[in-house]
Amino acid sequence: KAGVTQTPRYLIKTRGQQVTLSCSPISGHRSVSWYQQTPGQGLQFLFEYFSETQRNKGNFPGRFSGRQFSNSRSEMNVSTLELGDSALYLCASSLGGLAGGTDTQYFGPGTRLTVL
Amino acid sequence: AQSVTQPDIHITVSEGASLELRCNYSYGATPYLFWYVQSPGQGLQLLLKYFSGDTLVQGIKGFEAEFKRSQSSFNLRKPSVHWSDAAEDCCAVASGDMRFGAGTRLTVKP
Repeated sequence: KAGVTQTPRYLIKTRGQQVTLSCSPISGHRSVSWYQQTPGQGLQFLFEYFSETQRNKGNFPGRFSGRQFSNSRSEMNVSTLELGDSALYLCASSLGGLAGGTDTQYFGPGTRLTVL
Repeated sequence: AQSVTQPDIHITVSEGASLELRCNYSYGATPYLFWYVQSPGQGLQLLLKYFSGDTLVQGIKGFEAEFKRSQSSFNLRKPSVHWSDAAEDCCAVASGDMRFGAGTRLTVKP
């Protein structure tokens, strides 16, 4: 079974631009979660989508948004990029999602975003 | 609010030595606890998880962790470290969302 894939793997943007990242979950998984990872901060939860609905959201500004399609693929969008948005963005998929707490999440390799 | 603390940012151990990485959590109810490992250029891989029952859980690659409710801890251990264990290890708590600690970078000396 193919793992979680993320595209692109690397991205360079300039301040003020917007960016869209894509995540394809493991086949059959209905939940996709997004995380931001920066040095010294660990992974910060952005949001979770389950069956095309946002089920939970972390403490990030409205510039960060996402969506999920009927095939469970998910996209994350960041508008008006700032230097501080430079990070590794990881997505994870699971069968039932984070609500129950017990589902194992499977992570993709991440997209490295650099904002100049 | 639930949170996870990993007090050690960086730990260096010699190959063959034992290892213990600390993880403390703050959460009102019984937490669902995880340890993930992140190798350079790769995503996170689940090492082990605790939901309930036996407080000593076994994971992959010879790792184990012990849940201690009285100390709010879920420390990761390995009796004999291998050079391939060098990575970033992350502790996490799940319930509705997922909170990660800042991670501990493990360096293994030959």
